[in-house]
Amino acid sequence: AQTVTQSQPEMSVQEAETVTLSCTYDTSESNYYLFWYKQPPSRQMILVIRQEAYKQQNATENRFSVNFQKAAKSFSLKISDSQLGDTAMYFCAFSNAGNMLTFGGGTRLMVKP
Amino acid sequence: AAGVIQSPRHLIKEKRETATLKCYPIPRHDTVYWYQQGPGQDPQFLISFYEKMQSDKGSIPDRFSAQQFSDYHSELNMSSLELGDSALYFCASSLVADRTDEQYFGPGTRLTVT
Repeated sequence: AQTVTQSQPEMSVQEAETVTLSCTYDTSESNYYLFWYKQPPSRQMILVIRQEAYKQQNATENRFSVNFQKAAKSFSLKISDSQLGDTAMYFCAFSNAGNMLTFGGGTRLMVKP
Repeated sequence: AAGVIQSPRHLIKEKRETATLKCYPIPRHDTVYWYQQGPGQDPQFLISFYEKMQSDKGSIPDRFSAQQFSDYHSELNMSSLELGDSALYFCASSLVADRTDEQYFGPGTRLTVT
């Protein structure tokens, strides 16, 4: 079974600054996907970024990028130029072969003006 | 673009009652997943369907059942409701042929059991 751990329950960052959210996972699978989902106060689950385990290049989506360290089973999310709208709960998630998502416990991010 | 539709958005039931939650996946998507998110919790996988057949089962209570119909919509039936069933229930859909493992979430149904 897979496990996903987010060690930072809460974080805060000043607007326009950069913040990094941590995630570690454990799996015996060799091919899998990792995701970061954002859940704002509306509770909608929004996909932020996706990483395929077999790709060495770190995924990037505008202000969002990841640092994927496969050997260390680490998958951190970096948010650059933080905006007030980035305030949300962020969940790291794992899946393989079209199966269910396994989520970490979440990190609550507050962007301060 | 069309998104995942869930109905109802809010539902209030009393203990021991029955509830039915509906999910309409994105057109052409062949897989549906159900997740339960309790207050302050991360989403927990309940059950999934691929091409109208159950494909995986998680921590779904025996009081719950689900199915996917010929038009690919899915229903989650919950009986003998308990206070602890109060949660946000998400449906997500995906297309296996995309080979991305991306799941697209609906807005959720907020169930309150009193």
